[in-house]
Amino acid sequence: EPEVTQTPSHQVTQMGQEVILRCVPISNHLYFYWYRQILGQKVEFLVSFYNNEISEKSEIFDDQFSVERPDGSNFTLKIRSTKLEDSAMYFCASRGPLSHFGNGTRLTVT
Amino acid sequence: AQSVTQLDSHVSVSEGTPVLLRCNYSSSYSPSLFWYVQHPNKGLQLLLKYTSAATLVKGINGFEAEFKKSETSFHLTKPSAHMSDAAEYFCVVSDKGNKLVFGAGTILRVKS
Repeated sequence: EPEVTQTPSHQVTQMGQEVILRCVPISNHLYFYWYRQILGQKVEFLVSFYNNEISEKSEIFDDQFSVERPDGSNFTLKIRSTKLEDSAMYFCASRGPLSHFGNGTRLTVT
Repeated sequence: AQSVTQLDSHVSVSEGTPVLLRCNYSSSYSPSLFWYVQHPNKGLQLLLKYTSAATLVKGINGFEAEFKKSETSFHLTKPSAHMSDAAEYFCVVSDKGNKLVFGAGTILRVKS
């Protein structure tokens, strides 16, 4: 069964550094999403992406965040200058009829 | 805006006994509702979905959920818990634009 893959599984970075989280969605899906889950909190929507542009974003998704689909397969989330509060599990999802999630990237900002 | 409330943060059952995980939803239109499961260090796996067809929805691993519009509920059940069911379960509603809105999660513990 096709699946969404995310790399890396764990990322540790220092405050102020840039990070790029990578996702390979299911190949025939057209809608892509990033969600995050801060430890002990709900899974929260960050951004949705369709037809090479952002279709919706949450209040969390400020100017420090960006998404890109640089080629036909990858979907990336960039955080330009990480803060301690960006530490979370980040999930990528792609949607055909249903949303399928990757296993997540655990980002730790020190 | 759509929202879901999971009524229990933790549920503990003995192996072989029934499971009930409770969820209430709020939606301004006919919702699409889902249950996802997250095992430790794993991603979010879809258990089942409701999209306005049959109100009793059967999912994977013996789970099912019943959509009750009059009670705005979508509780998840399983007749007999297995040790491998221990995980965190999320009730989820689909918002306009198809983004997912998650409940806070219920951690299911299964005792031997």
